[in-house]
Amino acid sequence: EVQLVESGGGLVQPGGSLRLSCAASGFTFSSYEMNWVRQAPGKGLEWVSYISSSGSTIYYADSVKGRFTISRDNAKNSLYLQMNSLRAEDTAVYYCARRAVVNDFFDIWGQGTMVTVSS
Amino acid sequence: SYELTQPLSVSVALGQTARITCGGNNIGSKNVHWYQQKPGQAPVLVIYRDSNRPSGIPERFSGSNSGNTATLTISRAQAGDEADYYCQVWDSSTAVFGGGTKLTVL
Repeated sequence: EVQLVESGGGLVQPGGSLRLSCAASGFTFSSYEMNWVRQAPGKGLEWVSYISSSGSTIYYADSVKGRFTISRDNAKNSLYLQMNSLRAEDTAVYYCARRAVVNDFFDIWGQGTMVTVSS
Repeated sequence: SYELTQPLSVSVALGQTARITCGGNNIGSKNVHWYQQKPGQAPVLVIYRDSNRPSGIPERFSGSNSGNTATLTISRAQAGDEADYYCQVWDSSTAVFGGGTKLTVL
């Protein structure tokens, strides 16, 4: 079964750090571009970051640039998001999402992990 | 930055046709994708590249895209179609989502 499973969410104080992980299974992880998408409570979807299949190309939303770092380990079938200098507005469910080969839609999503930034 | 505009809410009577719009500057030149999200669940792709349905999505879901507006059409709406719907495009290596539309089936 094709699956993405996020972990690492939790409660963190403003200014703190957190590292999210996304474990992939059921497909050749190294062949796919990956993304992080977040959703604040009661709000819409917001794209956070993209990483190419090899990890050589990376993009970020302006709202997280300079604070978040996306990475991947194809040997471990895993995607990561290192989040530093966290703010209250970073509070959200964070989803990892696979970008379909050839087309540019998100075809597989994880179940999400909740990050709460609060003192 | 590129923006996508969706109505906050759309209501449709059971069995009737719902249309959810997604406005953007010259959106007709982009590939538009649509996702359905039910409470507490991850989004699910329902239309890709303007008008294509993934396997497992009912034929009642269709899409179009022209000019400055893309449209998701849900025919013969069912209670199970009640959800939030998001349009999405890529612009300058950035994924952009519309604000989302809450579909209510009356």
